Amino acid sequence: AQSVAQPEDQVNVAEGNPLTVKCTYSVSGNPYLFWYVQYPNRGLQFLLKYITGDNLVKGSYGFEAEFNKSQTSFHLKKPSALVSDSALYFCAVRDKAAGNKLTFGGGTRVLVKP
Amino acid sequence: NAGVTQTPKFRVLKTGQSMTLLCAQDMNHEYMYWYRQDPGMGLRLIHYSVGEGTTAKGEVPDGYNVSRLKKQNFLLGLESAAPSQTSVYFCASSLFPGGAGELFFGEGSRLTVL
Repeated sequence: AQSVAQPEDQVNVAEGNPLTVKCTYSVSGNPYLFWYVQYPNRGLQFLLKYITGDNLVKGSYGFEAEFNKSQTSFHLKKPSALVSDSALYFCAVRDKAAGNKLTFGGGTRVLVKP
Repeated sequence: NAGVTQTPKFRVLKTGQSMTLLCAQDMNHEYMYWYRQDPGMGLRLIHYSVGEGTTAKGEVPDGYNVSRLKKQNFLLGLESAAPSQTSVYFCASSLFPGGAGELFFGEGSRLTVL
């Protein structure tokens, strides 16, 4: 069965510093990987995805993520965090062999302090 | 363009009562989903639909029923609400099979069962 883990419940970072949100996954085939962001009292919004190709994927709001097959990781990064990046971030994986469904991680809360 | 709209946004039920959550999307998407979000558990798929007139069970279907009589609407029903169903419910839709592309989420429906 496919699964995804976000090992950190919360990440604290000062504004202007680099931000990293960790994600590891387990699938039986080739993964499709996604990051979503949830702002308070809102639904999830798509940030970026990896399906194939370049291991470094660029997405919305200056975020990027690096796919590492050997480490089965897909960490989300932003070079310089903003206070407005404070939100809940979800990693998700789709394993085609498991059917057309996404499995979400438990989420990581990011707090960017001024 | 409204995207995905959920009604109601908030509801308080007593144990044993029934209710229906309505999801409407105006993007002509074939695929629709109902998730529940609980702290630390990410999003878990309740039921989904791959087209008008079709529904299928997700990860946590017990206690819920769904219907997709029209392409743009996906209803989630609770026949006899239980406190364990206290959660935030999200509807989503997608143009491609779940995970092949972006999911578009509604803003959520917060349900409390007393």
